Amino acid sequence: NAGVTQTPKFRILKIGQSMTLQCTQDMNHNYMYWYRQDPGMGLKLIYYSVGAGITDKGEVPNGYNVSRSTTEDFPLRLELAAPSQTSVYFCASSPQGGAYEQYFGPGTRLTVT
Amino acid sequence: AQKITQTQPGMFVQEKEAVTLDCTYDTSDPSYGLFWYKQPSSGEMIFLIYQGSYDQQNATEGRYSLNFQKARKSANLVISASQLGDSAMYFCAFLSGGYQKVTFGTGTKLQVIP
Repeated sequence: NAGVTQTPKFRILKIGQSMTLQCTQDMNHNYMYWYRQDPGMGLKLIYYSVGAGITDKGEVPNGYNVSRSTTEDFPLRLELAAPSQTSVYFCASSPQGGAYEQYFGPGTRLTVT
Repeated sequence: AQKITQTQPGMFVQEKEAVTLDCTYDTSDPSYGLFWYKQPSSGEMIFLIYQGSYDQQNATEGRYSLNFQKARKSANLVISASQLGDSAMYFCAFLSGGYQKVTFGTGTKLQVIP
């Protein structure tokens, strides 16, 4: 099993550009999450999904959109990139919510200049 | 809203010694959980241990144990017999009563000294 995969690993965007961060898991997990980690900080939840077709906002959703058309995929869309979105983005999945550990992808390092 | 606090930005520990990393939380929910994750310099997030609010005993996983004091709202991570490979950032995370969202603390950077 590959676990949770994220692409790309690195990306530089210009202000105002858009892009999609891809996340795929092959563990048939229902729950998926997107976090951002700013330098020297903890992770902040952007969006999460409890199953295909169901998404909900986390702590910092502004400037982002998500969709969950399949169990495996949970892409994160950045519209009109801003320097404040420079961060490392982590995707994670878990079998259910609750006391289940989250399995994290390797992260995408995004720089907006 | 739930709040989770890690007051130690950085810690040093001698190899083979035990170390305690602090984590406090604030909630009015009766049902919740606490996670600890490790983030080495390579960047990946590694699950260490979980404690549920109704668990009768403190969680343990190998060299990791969680000192859960519900009345004090603290969930400190204890690492016994520290190893050089334990040098990393450690994050405490709070699981909300709805069991859907996890809130991370700001982390503690642990450095193990030979």
